Amino acid sequence: EDQVTQSPEALRLQEGESSSLNCSYTVSGLRGLFWYRQDPGKGPEFLFTLYSAGEEKEKERLKATLTKKESFLHITAPKPEDSATYLCAVIAGSNYKLTFGKGTLLTVNP
Amino acid sequence: DVKVTQSSRYLVKRTGEKVFLECVQDMDHENMFWYRQDPGLGLRLIYFSYDVKMKEKGDIPEGYSVSREKKERFSLILESASTNQTSMYLCASSLWRRGSEQYFGPGTRLTVT
Repeated sequence: EDQVTQSPEALRLQEGESSSLNCSYTVSGLRGLFWYRQDPGKGPEFLFTLYSAGEEKEKERLKATLTKKESFLHITAPKPEDSATYLCAVIAGSNYKLTFGKGTLLTVNP
Repeated sequence: DVKVTQSSRYLVKRTGEKVFLECVQDMDHENMFWYRQDPGLGLRLIYFSYDVKMKEKGDIPEGYSVSREKKERFSLILESASTNQTSMYLCASSLWRRGSEQYFGPGTRLTVT
């Protein structure tokens, strides 16, 4: 069974304090790893797809990286508007469905 | 921009009622999905459809059914709503290719009393 574990569960940062979120996965035949941002009461917003170890993607203050066992979402000089829950998900094998982690709740204080 | 819309943001229904949740996507995606999201349990797949009139059960299909008569529209049906179906319901769509990213709608917060 595919498993996705995110850590930490919650992270509180000061504005400008860079950090990383972790997503470790156990799957058979990774087809894609996805990062989403979710604001309270809203649907997840797609951020990145990573397909193979060594791949990196960037968007503004966010950078996602992938190894054979885990992915990191690096947040550089975060701002309060980056506060949200960040979700990691994978598709593996012959599945169409996403297997999600429980998410990391990020709070950035001004 | 991909757009996935859901018929209601908030819905309150009584136990035993039949409930319809509708989802429409405008990007000609082949795949459509219904998830529910609960605190501590994360997102769980209820059903998905890879083509018109085609459907497959997800992880928690009990108490739900789906309908896909047109490519852009995917409906989730609660045949007889129960209080344990109170949840956030999220619709998503993606291209046919495995590994394609899924785009989510804004969600429907359903409360069954």
